[in-house]
Amino acid sequence: QSVLTQPPSASGTPGQRVTISCSGGRSNIGSNYVYWYQQLPGAAPKLLIYSSDQRPSGVPDRFSGSKSGTSASLAISGLRSEDEADYYCAAWDDRLYSTLFGGGTQLTVL
Amino acid sequence: EVQLVESGGGLVQPGGSLRLSCAASGFTFSSYWMNWVRQAPGKGLEWVANIKQDGSEIYYVDSVKGRFTISRDNAGNSLYLQMNSLRAEDTAVYYCARALYYDNAGDNWGQGTLVTVSS
Repeated sequence: QSVLTQPPSASGTPGQRVTISCSGGRSNIGSNYVYWYQQLPGAAPKLLIYSSDQRPSGVPDRFSGSKSGTSASLAISGLRSEDEADYYCAAWDDRLYSTLFGGGTQLTVL
Repeated sequence: EVQLVESGGGLVQPGGSLRLSCAASGFTFSSYWMNWVRQAPGKGLEWVANIKQDGSEIYYVDSVKGRFTISRDNAGNSLYLQMNSLRAEDTAVYYCARALYYDNAGDNWGQGTLVTVSS
């Protein structure tokens, strides 16, 4: 059972905007940056968002991150078929001295 | 081009040991924190351990403390994970990943190496 809570699944149609939530606590999301990773089927994870709301170079601006209190969200606008993947949030925990991952959200593009 | 190549995975019996390696190239290895992250078959990601640029700070997930040891060789651009007293629940693909800061599990990841613990 993950300390960071994500919905197990999400879906949308091409062109639509979808959001994926990530809920934590004061010692992790509430105190530290949130990171988002995309894992395409059969591939290694890829960093999508760092420092809660920053995109690495090469990541389309269709992807955006936000954080408020002990929760964070990943938004994907203009949904495309190639966005079908698993998405994970992560944050450092100041009490556990560990990085915590959410359980992952499987995104389906209908 | 940043490259991280894991090796050393395989089949091992419960209670056995295995040493994973990660060969890094295409960046200044000594400038980055390094992480190990694992993924059990069909499951989500689990952070395992990380190590500071000079090895002076090391952190582990509770489930591997006392059994796994992370280390690095900056001269050889390599990261290691010594895994002892292996259990069935350690079965996973193990990824190495680099990061600029301790709180990032990885901005670049290797392709992973599979560790199977079974009799």
